[in-house]
Amino acid sequence: DVKVTQSSRYLVKRTGEKVFLECVQDMDHENMFWYRQDPGLGLRLIYFSYDVKMKEKGDIPEGYSVSREKKERFSLILESASTNQTSMYLCASSSRPSSGNTIYFGEGSWLTVV
Amino acid sequence: DAKTTQPTSMDCAEGRAANLPCNHSTISGNEYVYWYRQIHSQGPQYIIHGLKNNETNEMASLIITEDRKSSTLILPHATLRDTAVYYCIVSPGSSNTGKLIFGQGTTLQVKP
Repeated sequence: DVKVTQSSRYLVKRTGEKVFLECVQDMDHENMFWYRQDPGLGLRLIYFSYDVKMKEKGDIPEGYSVSREKKERFSLILESASTNQTSMYLCASSSRPSSGNTIYFGEGSWLTVV
Repeated sequence: DAKTTQPTSMDCAEGRAANLPCNHSTISGNEYVYWYRQIHSQGPQYIIHGLKNNETNEMASLIITEDRKSSTLILPHATLRDTAVYYCIVSPGSSNTGKLIFGQGTTLQVKP
């Protein structure tokens, strides 16, 4: 089975801290994504990557950056965490959704910024 | 990119079929329709996807209208464990970047 693993399930960080959320997939997928999910707002795309060292902004990239140095790993970075970044963060991966391949999600990382 | 519209919530009796509609009237010819569900505090779980033809797997059936402007996910015998938020999404089609567009989803409540 495809597995998308998010390194931390629950985190509590202080305002201004640098935060790293790590995601690893084991299926050699080209595409990887980071979303955040907030009550009433659904899933919103932060960044995605379609290849190593490639990245594209999603709908809400402000305050975030990403890194993809290896194909299997996609990291989300909060350079200076703020309380409005308290959310659940979801990582996903796929080969090529446009050709009908399945998109797989991790279990999510609950981040609280205090 | 195509957008989707789903009802906010639906109820279904345990053991009955749950029919969840989705409107995607601006879908383009090479875009797929995907269905996912999410149980509270977990990541979305893939259910099924299709392009033009109806699809069936061990979890559900997907019925896509001939004009592809809408679809229906059918859970044939709903159980209490099927209570979740169900998302209908479409793939970007022409782009290879795989950007996903999620709607607000339908909260399905299966009742005993």
